[in-house]
Parts: sequence; structure tokens; C-alpha cells
Amino acid sequence: RKEVEQDPGPFNVPEGATVAFNCTYSNSASQSFFWYRQDCRKEPKLLMSVYSSGNEDGRFTAQLNRASQYISLLIRDSKLSDSATYLCVVSYNQGGKLIFGQGTELSVKP
Amino acid sequence: DTGVSQDPRHKITKRGQNVTFRCDPISEHNRLYWYRQTLGQGPEFLTYFQNEAQLEKSRLLSDRFSAERPKGSFSTLEIQRTEQGDSAMYLCASSGHRDWLIDTQYFGPGTRLTVL
Repeated sequence: RKEVEQDPGPFNVPEGATVAFNCTYSNSASQSFFWYRQDCRKEPKLLMSVYSSGNEDGRFTAQLNRASQYISLLIRDSKLSDSATYLCVVSYNQGGKLIFGQGTELSVKP
Repeated sequence: DTGVSQDPRHKITKRGQNVTFRCDPISEHNRLYWYRQTLGQGPEFLTYFQNEAQLEKSRLLSDRFSAERPKGSFSTLEIQRTEQGDSAMYLCASSGHRDWLIDTQYFGPGTRLTVL
């Protein structure tokens, strides 16, 4: 079983749609949680950190449920530029290695 | 550009040859990480350094792989006797803890290795 699991997609949605990505992690000792975005043939870039209280950054909302070991990302009002692969990431300690899910591909169509 | 840089960006080699990649982290970042990514998968951790010290190595890092960070600045990753299964994108990241700031890892553009 992989330590971080995501639905690989692809998710094909029209512009303006709301799309949700889900992720589960297996190690209850995980301390830090993130969503990274990776464009085709580019490096991963931090989209947002995920906090227990949930957090929002513009059209993006991230939620964490430690009891269920579940992380989510909601994108509202999808833009063409949101097309990318979204990587769910956990870390056991600050400054330590990152453990990535396989990524969920999103394609936003006009 | 003050981001993480990697060299070369692409490397094609024949099976059995040795290759070496270089990573220059963001200035003043004390942690440096190496990851490997294959098509359709997320990056997988290989190893990381805090200053010159190599603090953790993955089981993925076989005896053919060696990483160094001799002066606590740039790092090199060497693969000896390359195999076709080594073909992947090799990503470097750096981070630096400053007081209350979250320890975010910033990635370089990667070195794409193709072993023929």
C-alpha cells in the first residue's frame, strides 16, 4: 500500500466548474501536509500548506481530517490555467523528506 | 535567478556508463534534497543533507548511487554503471528554516536522464 494515495484522474472539467481532489495517507505520525502543483515537464511548486483548521487561498480550499487521515483540495471557478497535476504531499517532521502521492491530473476545457 | 538550479537539464547515456548531476540550492538554504520522478508518478525521496551531513538515505538509493555536499553548498548525485531502470527525472530541492517560517521545499527544474 502506498503511503499517500490519490485518484490519478484525469479530471476533465469545463471552465468555471468546481472540482475536488481527495487524498489519504497511511502514517498517522505525519505532521505536515501540502498540495503541490506540477505543470507538464516542469518541477513541482507549492500550491498551499494544509492546516487542521482548513485554509483557503482565493479559489483554493484545503481541508485536513487527521482522524480519517484524509486531505482534500477544492478548486472553485476553474480556469484554463489550472490545468496541471496536483500532488498531495505529507511529511513526518518539519524539514524532513516529502512523501508524494502519484498526482491527480486536471484538464480544464473551454 | 535565485532559485534552485540543476545541471545538466538533460543527459542521455549508454547502459553501464557513469553520470553525475549537480544541484545548486537557494543561497543560505541549509537543507538539500534529491528526489526521483518517473512518468505518471509523484517524486520519490532519495536522500537529503543538512549542511554537509547526509541525514537520510532511501532504500531506493542502491550502492550505485552516491550523493555528496562537501562544503554545505552545492551537491552532486552520481550514478555508476547506469541501468535502463535509472531513466527518470532527478529533482533537487532546498529549504531553510528561518524562525517561524514554514520549511517549504523549493524544487529545481530537474535533470532528465535517459539510459539507452
